[in-house]
Amino acid sequence: DGGITQSPKYLFRKEGQNVTLSCEQNLNHDAMYWYRQDPGQGLRLIYYSQIVNDFQKGDIAEGYSVSREKKESFPLTVTSAQKNPTAFYLCASSIASGPYNEQFFGPGTRLTVL
Amino acid sequence: KNEVEQSPQNLTAQEGEFITINCSYSVGISALHWLQQHPGGGIVSLFMLSSGKKKHGRLIATINIQEKHSSLHITASHPRDSAVYICALGRGGSEKLVFGKGTKLTVNP
Repeated sequence: DGGITQSPKYLFRKEGQNVTLSCEQNLNHDAMYWYRQDPGQGLRLIYYSQIVNDFQKGDIAEGYSVSREKKESFPLTVTSAQKNPTAFYLCASSIASGPYNEQFFGPGTRLTVL
Repeated sequence: KNEVEQSPQNLTAQEGEFITINCSYSVGISALHWLQQHPGGGIVSLFMLSSGKKKHGRLIATINIQEKHSSLHITASHPRDSAVYICALGRGGSEKLVFGKGTKLTVNP
C-alpha cells in the first residue's frame, strides 16, 4: 500500500525539549511538505522540499528544522526556540512541487508541550 | 485581508440536503484545490480545478476564474460527509499552496 506515514499520532513533551516528528512516504514523490494546523486557522507551511538534499523555509519556519537525506523521509524537529509548539502537524507529498500537483497527506501528529 | 475566504464557516444540514460551500479569493491563481479533512485529522484531496467544473460521485466542484470564486456542491448529503472542507490556492511561479480556514460540515441523520 502506497502512502504517507507519520509517527507518533500523539506526542507529549516538556517545555524546552527538542522533539522530532517522523514522516515517511513510499509514493516515490519528489516534493514533501510540513504544515502546522491550529484551531480556526488554515494550514500553514513550515518547510518544504522539492528534491532530496534540498529544502526551503515556508511561512513559519522559525523554531523548526528539517532534513531530506532520503527521498522517502522528511523529519521535522521542533526546537525549544519555537514559542508555541502545541499544534497538529501534517506532512504531505506530491509528485513535484507546483500549483497543479495533488498533495497527499499523512494522518498527522498532535504535539502537546506541557 | 486574507487571500482566500471560505463561507460559511460552519454548516449543519439534514441527510439528503444539497450542500454548497463557497471559496472566494483575491489573487490570480493557476489552480484551486478542494480537500476534505476527516474528524480524525486526515486530509484527502477531492479536486484540482483550473477552469470549469468537475464531478466525482455526489461531489461537484466549479470555478469561475473571472469572478475569483469556486463552489463545492454535495448532492444527497449523508452523515459520512461530515468533515471540514478546505480550499487551497495554487499560484503560478509558487511552489506553495495557500489554504482557507475551512468549512465545517455536519450532516445529521
